[in-house]
Amino acid sequence: QKEVEQDPGPLSVPEGAIVSLNCTYSNSAFQYFMWYRQYSRKGPELLMYTYSSGNKEDGRFTAQVDKSSKYISLFIRDSQPSDSATYLCAMSADTDKLIFGTGTRLQVFP
Amino acid sequence: GAVVSQHPSWVICKSGTSVKIECRSLDFQATTMFWYRQFPKQSLMLMATSNEGSKATYEQGVEKDKFLINHASLTLSTLTVTSAHPEDSSFYICSATPGQGSGSYFGPGTRLTVT
Repeated sequence: QKEVEQDPGPLSVPEGAIVSLNCTYSNSAFQYFMWYRQYSRKGPELLMYTYSSGNKEDGRFTAQVDKSSKYISLFIRDSQPSDSATYLCAMSADTDKLIFGTGTRLQVFP
Repeated sequence: GAVVSQHPSWVICKSGTSVKIECRSLDFQATTMFWYRQFPKQSLMLMATSNEGSKATYEQGVEKDKFLINHASLTLSTLTVTSAHPEDSSFYICSATPGQGSGSYFGPGTRLTVT
């Protein structure tokens, strides 16, 4: 079993839809959780950073962490075609060495 | 947010030659940087942890004599792919963390093609 599981997709949604992306993990020591967006042939861009359980909102993005269920989510409201990318969840126990999910490919069509 | 740069962004080299890739933190100091490689449509694979002023720590299966890492200053780490072969062709990305509670920031990546 992988430490971090993420559905690779692809996930295809119409413009304006609410997108839900999820990851599960097995290591209870993880306490730092991140979501990255990666466009093709580019480095990952940090979208959200969360410590421990709870919610965090930034514009159209909301990150949720449920440590009791070992489950994290990223919600994108009012999705746009420019949101089409691969979304990677990442987590760590000590703020440095990250463990990544496989990434979910998202396509938002007009 | 913090900025991490990489140079070059794209390099083509012949088999048997060596290639150096630079990773710089532009607006913060980083005692630790990380090097990843990524194959098409796959996730990032951590290769090594670069520590300023000391030897790098390599992940299992990564040849330390082939992928030389030098972290000479608090803003610069270099990855040298020695005696490159076509199977080394990949997307190499570095990351650094400005400080506790900030998340890790990635460079734009370097695409290496070995012919």
